[in-house]
Parts: sequence; structure tokens; C-alpha cells
Amino acid sequence: QVQLVQSGAEVKKPGASVKVSCKASGYTFTSYGISWVRQAPGQGLEWMGWISAYNGNTNYAQKLQGRVTMTTDTSTSTAYMELRSLRSDDTAVYYCARTHTGSSGWYLDYWGQGTLVTVSS
Amino acid sequence: SYVLTQPPSVSVAPGQTARITCGGNNIGSKSVHWYQQKPGQAPVLVVYDDSDRPSGIPERFSGSNSGNTATLTISRVEAGDEADYYCQVWDSSSELGFGGGTKLTVL
Repeated sequence: QVQLVQSGAEVKKPGASVKVSCKASGYTFTSYGISWVRQAPGQGLEWMGWISAYNGNTNYAQKLQGRVTMTTDTSTSTAYMELRSLRSDDTAVYYCARTHTGSSGWYLDYWGQGTLVTVSS
Repeated sequence: SYVLTQPPSVSVAPGQTARITCGGNNIGSKSVHWYQQKPGQAPVLVVYDDSDRPSGIPERFSGSNSGNTATLTISRVEAGDEADYYCQVWDSSSELGFGGGTKLTVL
């Protein structure tokens, strides 16, 4: 069965960076991309961007351009999301999700369990 | 960016039908996807491509999309359906967007 297992909770100071991992299993990793979605406490879902596990192409949300980098390691079927220059409003649960990309549009069919990132001085 | 508008809350009695709307400019020309999120859990895809259900999702969940409104319909609502529901589209500006979410309360 498809599983996405994320790394554990992080506490960071403002200005620092965080890197979250997402290990995939149960499917051919390079056949799908991975999106990252975050959810601030009590708020809705915010798409951060996507990376192709096939060729490493990326598509970042304009709001986060310049602060976020997404990468993959196909040898371990793991995706990574690094966010830099952290601010208090980056405090959120961060999810990875397998992404269907087709002519009918993109959607997220399997999700990781989420990683809480807390930014606090 | 493309704006998706959902009602903040919908309430329904058990056994009745819940309808959750997602409004957007000419949304009928886009494919709409729906997610269910229960407290403390990751979202789960319940409808994709307007009206298709992933395996394991009950037939009680259905979707439609026309004009400026997409709708998620949950028939014979159960207590376990109480959750937040989000609609989602792929925007022509090459970004994936979510509606603000609707809290479904089962009375």
C-alpha cells in the first residue's frame, strides 16, 4: 500500500532553516511528483509547491519563491522540503502528498502524516 | 490567483443530505477535487475530477461541477462524516489552490 512517512517535529528560531523529509513506499517513486502543503494552526491548506520525482523539475508557489527548495533522492525514494529565513508565521503542520498531474488537473491522492514546525524565539 | 469560495460551515442531521459548495469564476471549466480532514489527521481525497471517487470512499460521497459552482454531496450523513472539507483546483497560473474549507457539523 502507498505510504508517505515524514520526519519528526521541529522547533526553530526565527531566521533559521528547516528541512523536512518524506519517505515514499508502495509505488514506483519516479512515476509521480510530490507536493508540499502546509496548514497553520486553525487555518486552511496552503500549497507550497511540487517536485517531479522523475526529473527533479519544480514548481513553487509564488509566495514562497526564493525561500523554499524541494529535492528528491530517488535511491531512497525520499522527498525533501527546505524552508529558509523562518518567521513566526511559518509555524504550521507541513504535509507531503503524492501528486497526480494530468490534462484534467492536479490532485493529491496520498498524504504523509504531517510534520509540525514551530518557529519561536 | 484563482479564488475558491466555500461556506465556513454546514450543519446537517444524521441520515440527511449535506451539500458543500465551492464557488469560482467559471469553475465548471476546471476539474475540482475534494478532501476530507478530521481533527489532528491529514487530509483524505474523497472526490477527484469533479465526480470520481478513489477506491475505498463510500458511494455516499459524490460531486458535481457546472457554471460557477462545484458541489460535494454527502448522502445519508453519518456522525463519522463530521470534518473539514476543502475543494481544490489547478489554476492556469500554474499553482494549485484550495478553498477556505467548510466545517461539516452532524447535529
